Amino acid sequence: SYDLTQPPSVSVSPGQTARITCSGDALPKQYAYWYQQKPGQAPVLVIYKDSERPSGIPERFSGSSSGTTVTLTISGVQAEDEADYYCQSADSSDTSVVFGGGTKLTVL
Amino acid sequence: QVQLQQSGPGLVKPSQTLSLTCAISGDSVSSNSAAWNWIRQSPSRGLEWLGRTCYRSKWYNDYAVSVKSRITINPDTSKNQFSLQLNSVTPEDTAVYYCARGMSPAPTNWYFDLWGRGTLVTVSS
Repeated sequence: SYDLTQPPSVSVSPGQTARITCSGDALPKQYAYWYQQKPGQAPVLVIYKDSERPSGIPERFSGSSSGTTVTLTISGVQAEDEADYYCQSADSSDTSVVFGGGTKLTVL
Repeated sequence: QVQLQQSGPGLVKPSQTLSLTCAISGDSVSSNSAAWNWIRQSPSRGLEWLGRTCYRSKWYNDYAVSVKSRITINPDTSKNQFSLQLNSVTPEDTAVYYCARGMSPAPTNWYFDLWGRGTLVTVSS
């Protein structure tokens, strides 16, 4: 197995753009996924296959990939976006699933 | 609307077996396109995938290396549900346990589009 590295925290003012990164050696070869988790709730998928948005997820959520880093971008951040965000991918060597350590997004 | 309903005890004694069940509505445990997973979350270990079961002409199971010697995930087609058994638990196994539906857009690549609400399981005497 291997690690996905995220910053522990990101802070942004309402209406600004938040960018959360996730780094991992296998990311050029494997899709990345992003989950939002609010306190006391289960994670919710917000981005799949690096940049696809599930139905029901607001357009302000987007994803991108460059080399060993993937980025979740939230444009025009709203207070309701305050949550923990986790990236997830696969280990190229087996069928395991790997999660990043999570990033706490604070809306100032 | 697909839903996952978890059930099982919230307190397990050390060395005993943790058992949880996840009932599926709106989909089938025998689906040829989904896999049925257990994932746990604790402050010390973060989100940790434990394993999956899926049906592709026959049943397949995959388990995380960290728990492979202690875990069993079983489908129950008669009740359209799947279960988790984790043997020889210690306080380190204290966590919120989630069941989740997995989808695979590419070989060996999975994501989770539907989650149960989670069950806090505490391992303590």
